[in-house]
Amino acid sequence: QQQVKQSPQSLIVQKGGISIINCAYENTAFDYFPWYQQFPGKGPALLIAIRPDVSEKKEGRFTISFNKSAKQFSLHIMDSQPGDSATYFCAASPTGTASKLTFGTGTRLQVTL
Amino acid sequence: GAVVSQHPSWVICKSGTSVKIECRSLDFQATTMFWYRQFPKQSLMLMATSNEGSKATYEQGVEKDKFLINHASLTLSTLTVTSAHPEDSSFYICSPRLAGVPDTQYFGPGTRLTVL
Repeated sequence: QQQVKQSPQSLIVQKGGISIINCAYENTAFDYFPWYQQFPGKGPALLIAIRPDVSEKKEGRFTISFNKSAKQFSLHIMDSQPGDSATYFCAASPTGTASKLTFGTGTRLQVTL
Repeated sequence: GAVVSQHPSWVICKSGTSVKIECRSLDFQATTMFWYRQFPKQSLMLMATSNEGSKATYEQGVEKDKFLINHASLTLSTLTVTSAHPEDSSFYICSPRLAGVPDTQYFGPGTRLTVL
């Protein structure tokens, strides 16, 4: 019940295309859903996060879509650029300062020219 | 976003020695600090959670006597890997949480530990 399932494991997208990464969760107590971007040898960087009171959140080229009934959320990267090539992790946690994030397994994105 | 620093960024040590990793939240106070370990091409594994001034809570399978965590202040936490062995070689990442509405969790740049 604590798992967050992420797919695909890897993704190749042409420059200018849309990258879509999906995550699904089981624990209905989760109410914070962040996405992290990680470049090789670096720590994860918070990209965008959503709470279940909205179905979509957009920040620049990055959009989170959230489907509470299906317990799924996804990251869309519009106009993908080679600089977006990185590993992306979805995560989820319940509310609370000491609540632990449960991470997905990661998606390695490669944006080609 | 918040600024989190880790020192050192990489370290190589001999088997049996101890290594201390410092994590600082430079522009906010972290009520809770998480420490993660990440092996190559894998996801992040939570090692322990600590609150300022109190003992850390370790995840199952993580030896508390081997991985000493000190959360001395709201801006500083340290992880000491004692008597390091080659299997402890990994990427260690601290993650301070900024309390608020909503809470936001940030990550440090990580420390690459190689034990020879």
